[in-house]
Amino acid sequence: DAGITQSPRHKVTETGTPVTLRCHQTENHRYMYWYRQDPGHGLRLIHYSYGVKDTDKGEVSDGYSVSRSKTEDFLLTLESATSSQTSVYFCAISVLQGEAFFGQGTRLTVV
Amino acid sequence: GIQVEQSPPDLILQEGANSTLRCNFSDSVNNLQWFHQNPWGQLINLFYIPSGTKQNGRLSATTVATERYSLLYISSSQTTDSGVYFCAVEGLADSWGKLQFGAGTQVVVTP
Repeated sequence: DAGITQSPRHKVTETGTPVTLRCHQTENHRYMYWYRQDPGHGLRLIHYSYGVKDTDKGEVSDGYSVSRSKTEDFLLTLESATSSQTSVYFCAISVLQGEAFFGQGTRLTVV
Repeated sequence: GIQVEQSPPDLILQEGANSTLRCNFSDSVNNLQWFHQNPWGQLINLFYIPSGTKQNGRLSATTVATERYSLLYISSSQTTDSGVYFCAVEGLADSWGKLQFGAGTQVVVTP
C-alpha cells in the first residue's frame, strides 16, 4: 500500500459540467500521474507532475487540466465533461527507481 | 512513442495449469513492470523487472532487454489468478516515470 487515496470512487455527471477528481498521497512522493483506462487500450497517461506546481501533458491530455499546489494532492479537472471522458481514472505515484503504484481508481460516467 | 504488445489477448486456463504471457516492446526501456488487475479493478504490482529474472511464489518474470521482450509465468494457476495482466514500460527516451501500457491479457482460471 503506497498510501494513495482517490476521491470520489464513483461519480455520475452530466455533459457540460465541470468535474474534479482528487488524488491524495501520504508518503511525500515527488512524482504523480493520472491515467485513464478504457477497453482495448490498457491505461493511457493524461497528465503527470514532477513536483509542486510542476506538471506536464501526457498522451491524452485534451479536455483535462491538473493542479498540484502541495506535494500530497494532485487534482484532475474536466472543465466541461463529455461522454468520451466516461472512463476509469487511476492516480499513480512513482518511487525512486521508477516503480509505480496505483490508487483504487475512480469510475466516472458522463451522461 | 514506444509500442507495447501483449499476447495472447485472452487466456482460459484450468486450475492447476501453467501459462506464459508475453510482452514485446519496440524500443529500449529503463523501466518495465507487470501488473495484475483483479476483478474488482485494483491494480496490483507483480514485478518491477527492467532486466533479468525474478520470482514471487507461483509467479516469475523474465525480461530480455536486448531482445525487447518480457515473459510472465504463472504456475499451478488458481482461480484467484483471474483478471487482466498488464505490462508497462518507460522508454529510454522518456523521463519522469511515464509508463506506456500494453492492452493486457485477460486470464480466466476455471475450477
